[in-house]
Amino acid sequence: NAGVTQTPKFQVLKTGQSMTLQCAQDMNHEYMSWYRQDPGMGLRLIHYSVGAGITDQGEVPNGYNVSRSTTEDFPLRLLSAAPSQTSVYFCASSLGSSGANVLTFGAGSRLTVL
Amino acid sequence: GNSVTQMEGPVTLSEEAFLTINCTYTATGYPSLFWYVQYPGEGLQLLLKATKADDKGSNKGFEATYRKETTSFHLEKGSVQVSDSAVYFCACGYSGGGADGLTFGKGTHLIIQP
Repeated sequence: NAGVTQTPKFQVLKTGQSMTLQCAQDMNHEYMSWYRQDPGMGLRLIHYSVGAGITDQGEVPNGYNVSRSTTEDFPLRLLSAAPSQTSVYFCASSLGSSGANVLTFGAGSRLTVL
Repeated sequence: GNSVTQMEGPVTLSEEAFLTINCTYTATGYPSLFWYVQYPGEGLQLLLKATKADDKGSNKGFEATYRKETTSFHLEKGSVQVSDSAVYFCACGYSGGGADGLTFGKGTHLIIQP
């Protein structure tokens, strides 16, 4: 039972480069989301999706794009990386979109932008 | 909007000490309340939850009681172990709050010394 799988675990980028963080879940969860975790800031929601073909912005969406073509996958794209995007990124999913549902998190992707 | 407040720490205790991590929330209505734990190098995982007033969530020796009158959900453990060293996040969410209806606190870093 893989749960939520994120790749890569570590990535170093130069300013202006683009990349995609991959997220896949095998639990048939409708809801998927991306958070970033920064010291002293806790978890902040970047984007989320309530089902295939549906995405929406969270608290800090600028500089990031998402798409949801299948139930299983929810990639996060950095269009032109900036040092302010240095962070640890977590993908999470749940059975439904309600805030009362338990989230299952991936192990995280640590991104450094030079 | 909703908010969750918890001590950030680090909180340092000796093994077998009693633990309390305070959590208070600001929200309208009747949210569900959660404690998530993040072990070093891992993603968050659910520790316990409570869905209505006076409910007690418990897991792995940890307990928290949903106190509507004080809007609190304090985490307690009678005798901590070195393996409890982690970051603990309090969160509240609404069943009808929509996909972005989950609010996290900033996390409390707990260090248990042998």
